[in-house]
Amino acid sequence: AQKVTQAQTEISVVEKEDVTLDCVYETRDTTYYLFWYKQPPSGELVFLIRRNSFDEQNEISGRYSWNFQKSTSSFNFTITASQVVDSAVYFCALTLGGSNYKLTFGKGTLLTVNP
Amino acid sequence: EPEVTQTPSHQVTQMGQEVILRCVPISNHLYFYWYRQILGQKVEFLVSFYNNEISEKSEIFDDQFSVERPDGSNFTLKIRSTKLEDSAMYFCASRRGAGRTDTQYFGPGTRLTVL
Repeated sequence: AQKVTQAQTEISVVEKEDVTLDCVYETRDTTYYLFWYKQPPSGELVFLIRRNSFDEQNEISGRYSWNFQKSTSSFNFTITASQVVDSAVYFCALTLGGSNYKLTFGKGTLLTVNP
Repeated sequence: EPEVTQTPSHQVTQMGQEVILRCVPISNHLYFYWYRQILGQKVEFLVSFYNNEISEKSEIFDDQFSVERPDGSNFTLKIRSTKLEDSAMYFCASRRGAGRTDTQYFGPGTRLTVL
């Protein structure tokens, strides 16, 4: 069975600070996919990024960057120069290769960016 | 941009009543999912649906739950006799296909309150 651990329950930063959200996953499968979703106070789940187990390239998208390391089973997410609008719960999720692709979520990290 | 829609946004019901939560997935998507998020907790998989049948369900998805795609566009989750512990946010998601590059996109959720 697969598992996702987000050890940081809550993080509070001041605007313009950089912040990294940690995600550690467990699976015995060699083919899997990792995701980050954002849940703002309005409650919807917004897809941010997907990473495949066979692609360890890190990615940068604007102020967001992701660091995928298979050696440590981690898929960390960094927000550079945080803004108040980044305040949300961030979920890391894992799915295995296969026809169903159900997502297993971590417990989420509540990020509060203060002005 | 196409999106998953859900109605109602908030449903209040009495314990023991039946509720039907409705979802309209993205039109060319073939895989459909329901997830549940009890307040303050992580998002949990309930059921996946493909080709007009359930492809996988979790242990949460007991005989009180059922899903249906009645008309080729709607995807519904029915809870036959609601319990207090069914109070949660219910998310519908859809996915285009079984390809490695396909991602699940979530609707805005229905908040179910059982009194």
